[in-house]
Amino acid sequence: EVQLVQSGAEVKKPGESLRISCKGSGYSFTSYWISWVRQMPGKGLEWMGRIDPSDSYTNYSPSFQGHVTISADKSISTAYLQWSSLKASDTAMYYCARPVRVATDAFDIWGQGTMVTVSS
Amino acid sequence: EIVLTQSPGTLSLSPGERATLSCRASQSVSSSYLAWYQQKPGQAPRLLIYGASSRATGIPDRFSGSGSGTDFTLTISRLEPEDFAVYYCQQYGSFFGQGTKLEIK
Repeated sequence: EVQLVQSGAEVKKPGESLRISCKGSGYSFTSYWISWVRQMPGKGLEWMGRIDPSDSYTNYSPSFQGHVTISADKSISTAYLQWSSLKASDTAMYYCARPVRVATDAFDIWGQGTMVTVSS
Repeated sequence: EIVLTQSPGTLSLSPGERATLSCRASQSVSSSYLAWYQQKPGQAPRLLIYGASSRATGIPDRFSGSGSGTDFTLTISRLEPEDFAVYYCQQYGSFFGQGTKLEIK
């Protein structure tokens, strides 16, 4: 079964760092880009960026460039989303997603989501 | 940056009725790069349509997508109780519309 499994919920304080993960299984991890999508409480979907796990090439949405870092370790089929200094406004559900085909952005495989809560 | 505007914001219909959801782009979008998703509370989004009109695996044929250029439509031919959810369009690259909530009338 093709699946993406994300790390568990996190509660952090403003200014703290965080890295969440997304592990792929059931397919060739290096064959498909992994994207990260944010959903703030009660709001819509926002694409943050993507990574090509084969060479770790990344693209970011202008809205998130410089605020987060996307990385991957192909040896363990895992992608990461990290913050160096969290803000309260980073409180959201974060999903990783894989496209239905190579080199597209229609996401048919989604992780279960990681809820990040940033509060003092 | 392409802006996708979905309408209506909320659509109130009854089971068995036909639903028509609209997605308008601020500039022309290749049909190959338009997708639709369904999201229910507490769940990850589910891909319904990609390439504007191709149904994803396992999606019932009551869901259909159409359109080109700047105007795209998701049609649900006969609503089932499980279809009431929020629907998003997406232009690859990878902007999402703000969503249409489909609620039971």
